[in-house]
Amino acid sequence: EPEVTQTPSHQVTQMGQEVILRCVPISNHLYFYWYRQILGQKVEFLVSFYNNEISEKSEIFDDQFSVERPDGSNFTLKIRSTKLEDSAMYFCASSEYGRAGNEQFFGPGTRLTVL
Amino acid sequence: GNSVTQMEGPVTLSEEAFLTINCTYTATGYPSLFWYVQYPGEGLQLLLKATKADDKGSNKGFEATYRKETTSFHLEKGSVQVSDSAVYFCALTLIQGAQKLVFGQGTRLTINP
Repeated sequence: EPEVTQTPSHQVTQMGQEVILRCVPISNHLYFYWYRQILGQKVEFLVSFYNNEISEKSEIFDDQFSVERPDGSNFTLKIRSTKLEDSAMYFCASSEYGRAGNEQFFGPGTRLTVL
Repeated sequence: GNSVTQMEGPVTLSEEAFLTINCTYTATGYPSLFWYVQYPGEGLQLLLKATKADDKGSNKGFEATYRKETTSFHLEKGSVQVSDSAVYFCALTLIQGAQKLVFGQGTRLTINP
């Protein structure tokens, strides 16, 4: 069964460093998403991406964040200068369509720890 | 704004007990409603969904009915198993706009044998 994969599973970095979180969505999917979950809090939407551009982004997704689909398979989230409050579990998701009720398939997440 | 509220966890039950996890929502439009489940060490998986009022989503013995009058989508199962131990998330998307999911805070369920 096709699945979304994410690497690394755990990333530890120093405050101020750049990190790139990687995701491989399901191959025939066209819509891609990043969410995050700070420990003990809700899963929060960060950004959606379609046709090589951002469809929607949340208030969290400021200039420190960027997304890219550098080739036909990877979808990356970059944080330019990490802050302590960026420590969270980051989930990538993809869906075949972008319409209401369509299932999003999630990866297992990358746990980011900023020291 | 759009939001989802779930009952506080954690919830601990014995095997074969009846399960209810409450979920209510606030939405500016007409949402689609979802329950996602996260087993230990895994990503979120869609458990069931409902896209219009009075629809009932069901899967693996779990059910939830879209109640527009009470803005609710409570998750139920008649007889839980140890393997149902997981974190359960209620969520919504709106018809308009990009299909971002708005999640509740999650409810951790533990089933004891």
